[in-house]
Amino acid sequence: AQSVSQHNHHVILSEAASLELGCNYSYGGTVNLFWYVQYPGQHLQLLLKYFSGDPLVKGIKGFEAEFIKSKFSFNLRKPSVQWSDTAEYFCAVMPISSGSARQLTFGSGTQLTVLP
Amino acid sequence: DAGVIQSPRHEVTEMGQEVTLRCKPISGHNSLFWYRQTMMRGLELLIYFNNNVPIDDSGMPEDRFSAKMPNASFSTLKIQPSEPRDSAVYFCASSPTSGTGDTQYFGPGTRLTVL
Repeated sequence: AQSVSQHNHHVILSEAASLELGCNYSYGGTVNLFWYVQYPGQHLQLLLKYFSGDPLVKGIKGFEAEFIKSKFSFNLRKPSVQWSDTAEYFCAVMPISSGSARQLTFGSGTQLTVLP
Repeated sequence: DAGVIQSPRHEVTEMGQEVTLRCKPISGHNSLFWYRQTMMRGLELLIYFNNNVPIDDSGMPEDRFSAKMPNASFSTLKIQPSEPRDSAVYFCASSPTSGTGDTQYFGPGTRLTVL
């Protein structure tokens, strides 16, 4: 079965600092990749996704992620964080296989705290 | 679109009671997923449906848990009898099967507390 690792459990940054959150997955086949964000007390919202094509994908709120197939990684980046980016970030992987519904496997999440 | 709708948003009950959580997926979406989120175990997929049919319920923790989807616009997750360890946030998500068919859209969740 596939697994997703987010090695940073809690990241604390000051405003305007650059952000990179790591995500590695274990699955040998083709995958779709996602980053979701969960603001305090709220539900998961899609930040960005990679299905195919350009491995550098841009999402909402200035976030981007790069898919590096050889490293099985899909790290999330933002050049300058804001206090409002304080949230928990989840990486998720969906193996592509036959069947009409596909399952997401989530990482354990990274809590980002941005200090004003 | 209103997005995925879940009710109730909060539920507090006593051990042994039956709990029913409800979900209305986004109109036109063919797949529906139930997740549970806890501090200890993170986000876990419990069960998912495609075209109202349960496809994989291997994530359902015990026989105390059951889920149904009687039609394309409604699903329930039932816990009977409930136990304190069932306390968690339960999310419902839906996805279409064409275009961006692999993107799941989450509801606001139901925070369940079993005393």
